[in-house]
Amino acid sequence: AQKVTQAQTEISVVEKEDVTLDCVYETRDTTYYLFWYKQPPSGELVFLIRRNSFDEQNEISGRYSWNFQKSTSSFNFTITASQVVDSAVYFCALSETPADGTASKLTFGTGTRLQVTL
Amino acid sequence: KAGVTQTPRYLIKTRGQQVTLSCSPISGHRSVSWYQQTPGQGLQFLFEYFSETQRNKGNFPGRFSGRQFSNSRSEMNVSTLELGDSALYLCASSLRHGITEAFFGQGTRLTVV
Repeated sequence: AQKVTQAQTEISVVEKEDVTLDCVYETRDTTYYLFWYKQPPSGELVFLIRRNSFDEQNEISGRYSWNFQKSTSSFNFTITASQVVDSAVYFCALSETPADGTASKLTFGTGTRLQVTL
Repeated sequence: KAGVTQTPRYLIKTRGQQVTLSCSPISGHRSVSWYQQTPGQGLQFLFEYFSETQRNKGNFPGRFSGRQFSNSRSEMNVSTLELGDSALYLCASSLRHGITEAFFGQGTRLTVV
């Protein structure tokens, strides 16, 4: 069965600090997708990134960067120079790949609540 | 471009009643998935619909059902409500069957009393 572990329940940082959110996953699939979502207080899950299992290149998007390491089954997310607006719950997710080859169901971690203060 | 629209945003129901939640996906998106979010169980997959057919189903009792219409709009129904069904129900829209990027609505918060 697929599993996603976000061991950090809550992180508090002061604005402008860098912060890394950890994500460790388990799957038997050889082809899978990993995602990060942000959930602000409004409740909507905001898509941040998708990475497939064959692409281990790190990615940077503005202040956000992601480190995918297949060898350790981790997909960590770093926010550089954090801002108050980054305060939210962040979810890591893993997709299941049905027999027809298309990814479908998302398995989510329990989320990490990030609190950025002035 | 309008995002995923879920209605209603908030709902209060009594145990034993049934409820129907609605989701309108992003224009052009044909896949709709539903998730339940609770403090205890986190985010759990309910089901996915594509081209009016259920493609995948999570581990929920038969009281939870859904359907998709020809315009890709989807509804989910919960019958014989229980207190434990109180949750945020999130709908996700994708361009096609299978995950490309799944875009979520703001959810319907259901409270069962």
